[in-house]
Amino acid sequence: ETGVTQTPRHLVMGMTNKKSLKCEQHLGHNAMYWYKQSAKKPLELMFVYSLEERVENNSVPSRFSPECPNSSHLFLHLHTLQPEDSALYLCASSHRRGNQPQHFGDGTRLSIL
Amino acid sequence: KNEVEQSPQNLTAQEGEFITINCSYSVGISALHWLQQHPGGGIVSLFMLSSGKKKHGRLIATINIQEKHSSLHITASHPRDSAVYICAVIIQGAQKLVFGQGTRLTINP
Repeated sequence: ETGVTQTPRHLVMGMTNKKSLKCEQHLGHNAMYWYKQSAKKPLELMFVYSLEERVENNSVPSRFSPECPNSSHLFLHLHTLQPEDSALYLCASSHRRGNQPQHFGDGTRLSIL
Repeated sequence: KNEVEQSPQNLTAQEGEFITINCSYSVGISALHWLQQHPGGGIVSLFMLSSGKKKHGRLIATINIQEKHSSLHITASHPRDSAVYICAVIIQGAQKLVFGQGTRLTINP
């Protein structure tokens, strides 16, 4: 139990669907992150939120839309995804950005048909 | 070329063996993480270090800032240590993690 919960754990969707991934942390952290892990590739940072403000967008296509309504919750809204978007999506949180340990969720394994 | 390189990519050993996983990086960093990822996908942070050596149970992590190199050692390895071990660095001034490709470790009983 890392204190970071992601739902759903698995998601299968068609290219025309709209779905959302959810991340929740109960650690009192102020920074939250979305990462993508594709097969045989290193983890890639997608978005960073610090104090509910998006501070980094790593050239992610607009079909991925993050939302951080408060410091405990982070969403990733998905629409018109492509098969190459199939991957493990990991959420993490830390006390603040920078030299702080990040606590990861178990991830959502996304498959696009 | 990735800024963070790990070796080996895959490692299989027998229970009880001493394990070493290496990480080299090519940029200035403010800290380095070692992470463990189990087959289900969840990631656990093992160490964060910026100099010297840290020890937790059977795990030891060392870093040499001058040589831009870190090692993760596992003593008396056990099948439950089987996982992917990932090295990640915080680039100086960038405040974000850059990850290596991971080392898949399998410990056979």
